[in-house]
Amino acid sequence: EPEVTQTPSHQVTQMGQEVILRCVPISNHLYFYWYRQILGQKVEFLVSFYNNEISEKSEIFDDQFSVERPDGSNFTLKIRSTKLEDSAMYFCASSVREWIEQFFGPGTRLTVL
Amino acid sequence: AQSVSQHNHHVILSEAASLELGCNYSYGGTVNLFWYVQYPGQHLQLLLKYFSGDPLVKGIKGFEAEFIKSKFSFNLRKPSVQWSDTAEYFCAVSLTGGGNKLTFGTGTQLKVEL
Repeated sequence: EPEVTQTPSHQVTQMGQEVILRCVPISNHLYFYWYRQILGQKVEFLVSFYNNEISEKSEIFDDQFSVERPDGSNFTLKIRSTKLEDSAMYFCASSVREWIEQFFGPGTRLTVL
Repeated sequence: AQSVSQHNHHVILSEAASLELGCNYSYGGTVNLFWYVQYPGQHLQLLLKYFSGDPLVKGIKGFEAEFIKSKFSFNLRKPSVQWSDTAEYFCAVSLTGGGNKLTFGTGTQLKVEL
C-alpha cells in the first residue's frame, strides 16, 4: 500500500541554523501539506501546496518557512533560521484531491538546541 | 476561526468495554469530519470520515461515528474495545470550500487494559 515517507526521522540542530525536512508524497496525489505538533499540543496546520504553489498557509508559516517541490517526487519544508520554539514533530501529508482525506507520513522530530 | 474540541484527554477501559469519544466543532458551514488514529510508534491513520449522506459512518476495525449537525458533534464509538485499540485518537475537521487544511482536536489517549 502506498505511503507517505519522511526523512529524517529525527533532526537535531542548533538555533539559527537552516533545516530542510523532506517528504515523498503518494505518487498520484496532487495536494501536499505540512503540519506540526509541539509536544503536548494539538496538530497544527502549516501550509498546503498545489500545482507548484502555496494554496493556503497559517499564521505560523512566516517568512522563515518555505516549501518546495524540487522534482516530481519530493516535497520539502525549509526553516531558514531555526528557533527553540520550532522544536516539534513535523508531519507531511498528501491527498489525491481537495477536501478529502489526507494521508500522513510518520513525521520528523525536530529538536532545536 | 474553526476549532475542534475533544473532551476526553485520557481514557482507560477494560477489554470488551464500550467506547465513546466526544468531538465537537465550532463552525456553521459545510464540514468534512474525520477521525484519525495513531498507534504507538506509528503515523496518523484514517479511521473514518464523513462528507455527506448517512450521518452514521462506519470505519475500519469496528469503529463508527455519528454526525449530529444540531449538536456540532461527531462522536466516535466502538461497542467492544480490544487491547490493540490502545492508541491516540484525533478528531479533525475541514471546511468544504474553505481550503484544505485540517483542524485537529487535542487528541484522546486511549489505554485498553487486559
